[in-house]
Formats: sequence, C-alpha cells, structure tokens
Amino acid sequence: AQKVTQAQTEISVVEKEDVTLDCVYETRDTTYYLFWYKQPPSGELVFLIRRNSFDEQNEISGRYSWNFQKSTSSFNFTITASQVVDSAVYFCALSKNSGYSTLTFGKGTMLLVSP
Amino acid sequence: GAVVSQHPSWVICKSGTSVKIECRSLDFQATTMFWYRQFPKQSLMLMATSNEGSKATYEQGVEKDKFLINHASLTLSTLTVTSAHPEDSSFYICSARTARQGALETQYFGPGTRLLVL
Repeated sequence: AQKVTQAQTEISVVEKEDVTLDCVYETRDTTYYLFWYKQPPSGELVFLIRRNSFDEQNEISGRYSWNFQKSTSSFNFTITASQVVDSAVYFCALSKNSGYSTLTFGKGTMLLVSP
Repeated sequence: GAVVSQHPSWVICKSGTSVKIECRSLDFQATTMFWYRQFPKQSLMLMATSNEGSKATYEQGVEKDKFLINHASLTLSTLTVTSAHPEDSSFYICSARTARQGALETQYFGPGTRLLVL
C-alpha cells in the first residue's frame, strides 16, 4: 500500500521568509513518481513538479526547490523568499509505475504568508 | 497547455435530487479520467477511475450505484450523484490522463465542482 504523510497541517510565515514543507512517503514499488501540487483558495490544483524514483537530483525552479532523499523516503519542498501569493494548500502525492496511474495524496499543508 | 473543464462549477440542490457533473478534456483525448472528492480542509480522495468505453473502477467504500460514472467519449466523463444527501456535499474534482507520443503520459486536473446539498 502507498502512503503519503505531510505532518505539517498549517504553517504561518511572514513574507520573505523561507519555508520548507515536509513530505514522507511509503511504497513497496521500486519505480514510483512523486509530485507536488498547489491548491489556491479557488480550488484548482496547480501542478508544480514530478520526480521519478531514479532521479535523486535536487531541483530548483525560481523560488521553489525540492529535496528528494530516497534514504529517508522524503521529498521536501522549499519556498525561498515567500510571498503572499504563495498562500495555498500544498499537496504531496505519489503514484506508481508510469507516473500518472492512481495518485495517492497526502493530507496537505496549508501555508499562510502574511505581509 | 492542455485544459480540463468541469461543469457546473457550483451546484446547490435539494436532498433527494440527482446531480450530474461533466468533465471535459478540451484539447486532447483522454482515455482515462479520474474522479476525486475533497471534503473541507481534507485531502483528495480517489473515488473511481473511468476508462472510455468501459465500466468505471470504484475505490473501496465508494458506492457505484450512488455515484454513477459514464465515460462515453474520449473527451467527456460524467459523474452523477444520485439521490443526493447533505453528506454528499463536497468538492468534486476530475482529472484526465493523456498519452502523448514520445513523452510520458500526463494528467491534468479540472477546476472542480462544489456541491451543496440542502
């Protein structure tokens, strides 16, 4: 069975602070994919990143960066110099095989960035 | 990029009525569509996987007679909540998966439909 744990229910930061959202996963598959999605108040899910289990290179995209540690089954997400527009619920998700079979979502972390 | 639409975006209905939600892939063909439900401040829970031309596969605990799914074409899947009750009030999200030649398959999410049953 697959499981995704986002232990942080809610995080509050002040603008320009850096923030890290934690994600720990469990799977018996040797090949799997990890995702991060952003869900703003409007509700629509916004895709942020997909990473396969064979690629442990960290990735940076603008103010966003991801740290994939297979040894600890973690795929953490860091926002540098947070902005008010970053306020949203962030979901970590896991799927097996091809990458877009059934997605297992974590419970989400609500990020509140205040001015 | 690829777009998935849902209609309606909001629906309020009386208890006992049925509600149909449409999910359309606007610029690609989706052999598979997924239906999720999200209660307030909770995660997305997969309800069923819908393959074009065949019966949907429901997740454990989801009543197939309660949540009727039809995937009659490569661009349209519908979810009908039959005899809706207040506990069915939720945010329903669909996603559509496409296989693109030369690339990994990709899944796109619709904007969601908020259902309120009075």
